[in-house]
Amino acid sequence: EADIYQTPRYLVIGTGKKITLECSQTMGHDKMYWYQQDPGMELHLIHYSYGVNSTEKGDLSSESTVSRIRTEHFPLTLESARPSHTSQYLCASSKTSGGSPGPDTQYFGPGTRLTVL
Amino acid sequence: KNQVEQSPQSLIILEGKNCTLQCNYTVSPFSNLRWYKQDTGRGPVSLTIMTFSENTKSNGRYTATLDADTKQSSLHITASQLSDSASYICVVSDRGSTLGRLYFGRGTQLTVWP
Repeated sequence: EADIYQTPRYLVIGTGKKITLECSQTMGHDKMYWYQQDPGMELHLIHYSYGVNSTEKGDLSSESTVSRIRTEHFPLTLESARPSHTSQYLCASSKTSGGSPGPDTQYFGPGTRLTVL
Repeated sequence: KNQVEQSPQSLIILEGKNCTLQCNYTVSPFSNLRWYKQDTGRGPVSLTIMTFSENTKSNGRYTATLDADTKQSSLHITASQLSDSASYICVVSDRGSTLGRLYFGRGTQLTVWP
């Protein structure tokens, strides 16, 4: 079982509210990621971080923002939630493997199911 | 366009039966292929990883195969159990960037009935 946690697990809020989805890992992983997943669809990368004070946007355009002030913590914030933000948000982390020919295995959190009314 | 296609989209089998899930990809250059299991309401969990030179990899009752020439992979589940009910996601990585871009399939939803 991976030591990566997300809170809240479920969130129902009204339009226009500011929300922060929390993600933390205790494995000392340097890389962290946020994915968005709709039912029956593939995961889409929306943000990633190589380490502290490093954040990048992913492939899917997102109105959310992230921060990486501590290695273990990678929160995602929506300044003004809209119904189009309704989705499952998955956080993941991985450790750089120097000898690996490709990316290291990502460990996923349980996800946050967000519903914006 | 790099893509990962999985089939079937959904599958129902009886407990104790075997099944095989398919994954075709067009990702290039290829680095590795992973199969993940995602239980409902949970995050994906890695089952197997295979690089270019590996043809098969087992993890208990799960056996993955890879044909890098035809760009096909399969996941075989032996003697299915109720707990195998989940979505199985094929993920292919390229070597095109430092991040090692991941390409996700949409998954095969497997349901095991008693």
